[in-house]
Amino acid sequence: KAGVTQTPRYLIKTRGQQVTLSCSPISGHRSVSWYQQTPGQGLQFLFEYFSETQRNKGNFPGRFSGRQFSNSRSEMNVSTLELGDSALYLCASSLGGGRGTEAFFGQGTRLTVV
Amino acid sequence: AQSVTQPDIHITVSEGASLELRCNYSYGATPYLFWYVQSPGQGLQLLLKYFSGDTLVQGIKGFEAEFKRSQSSFNLRKPSVHWSDAAEYFCAVGSGQAGTALIFGKGTTLSVSS
Repeated sequence: KAGVTQTPRYLIKTRGQQVTLSCSPISGHRSVSWYQQTPGQGLQFLFEYFSETQRNKGNFPGRFSGRQFSNSRSEMNVSTLELGDSALYLCASSLGGGRGTEAFFGQGTRLTVV
Repeated sequence: AQSVTQPDIHITVSEGASLELRCNYSYGATPYLFWYVQSPGQGLQLLLKYFSGDTLVQGIKGFEAEFKRSQSSFNLRKPSVHWSDAAEYFCAVGSGQAGTALIFGKGTTLSVSS
């Protein structure tokens, strides 16, 4: 079956702009999580959505937001982009059963802010 | 607070030699532990996971890991490394919140020499 699909794969934006990233989970998966990966900070959890509701949130400013649709597809939005937002953004989907549920990752969206 | 430490940033192993990647975690209760691998430009792939039971867990691609509660460790091992194992390896622990949020270590880059 198809894996986790993230679009677009690459994105270049200017400081101050906003951006929306998309994630289509594996069919049947109800949980979608987002992570930011940078060389300095590593992989950091942004938020998780389950059945259209935010279930968990990491320690990121309010400029980072997300949502999940009824078909489990998810989007994350970053407003007022800063240079430090340049990163690989990874989406992970899971059946959503809880802490031990395996998460399947997409290939990520590489965001560059100039 | 939960945390994961991977003491080795970069390791080089000869092809055919054995491998051990170290991971130490900080978690109050019984942790949910994972090892993921990331090849360049790719997302993360789950190698193995530990929740409870047998402390030696087997994963894909010939990897295994041993959970040692007394040492708060979950080291990844492979008896004979192949050139295709060159990648970045991440140890992670379930965050403790409801849901599937993961806390990752900073990763260990594995290089394989011929």
